[in-house]
Amino acid sequence: ETGVTQSPTHLIKTRGQQVTLRCSSQSGHNTVSWYQQALGQGPQFIFQYYREEENGRGNFPPRFSGLQFPNYSSELNVNALELDDSALYLCASSFGQETGYGETQYFGPGTRLLVL
Amino acid sequence: SQQGEEDPQALSIQEGENATMNCSYKTSINNLQWYRQNSGRGLVHLILIRSNEREKHSGRLRVTLDTSKKSSSLLITASRAADTASYFCATDVVDNAGNMLTFGGGTRLMVKP
Repeated sequence: ETGVTQSPTHLIKTRGQQVTLRCSSQSGHNTVSWYQQALGQGPQFIFQYYREEENGRGNFPPRFSGLQFPNYSSELNVNALELDDSALYLCASSFGQETGYGETQYFGPGTRLLVL
Repeated sequence: SQQGEEDPQALSIQEGENATMNCSYKTSINNLQWYRQNSGRGLVHLILIRSNEREKHSGRLRVTLDTSKKSSSLLITASRAADTASYFCATDVVDNAGNMLTFGGGTRLMVKP
């Protein structure tokens, strides 16, 4: 167990709806990253939050947005859902430093989203 | 496009045999990490190897890194049925502001009892 939790575990939405996914980071970690994993593929980086600010973003449209709270938990919001958004959404927490020197990221169990 | 590419895409071995998976990447890295994933669940961190390291061990796992060839390998010795999973390499790239990982497509390992 990594100590990273995500909710909900599964979710079914229809095209055009909005969804919010939640992640609680491991104690002592100040950085949360979100990834999208389509079936049979490796995870794709969505964005990262470091000390409540977005610290980098992958190749995802603006309808993917996020927040990080003072306790370092995080939300991923997706608006105007599309069928291709169906995937496993993973969050990972880590201890980020000003140098940006990478550290181990610890992943939660994921939220499986199905868009119909 | 993905930074890392694993090879082979799928591997089937007998229990007790060794399994070797390879990863190639394209740009300079801070570190390279290997993860395991069981049946579409969360990723389990196995090993992190930094760009100035050449080899690391953890139990039955051995990871090598060759920055001149931009490649890494993961060796699992004396494999067990419980090692059946997908294995991913992920690179933390030098140019990124934070430690954002770029994953390959994974190697699907099946260990037969």
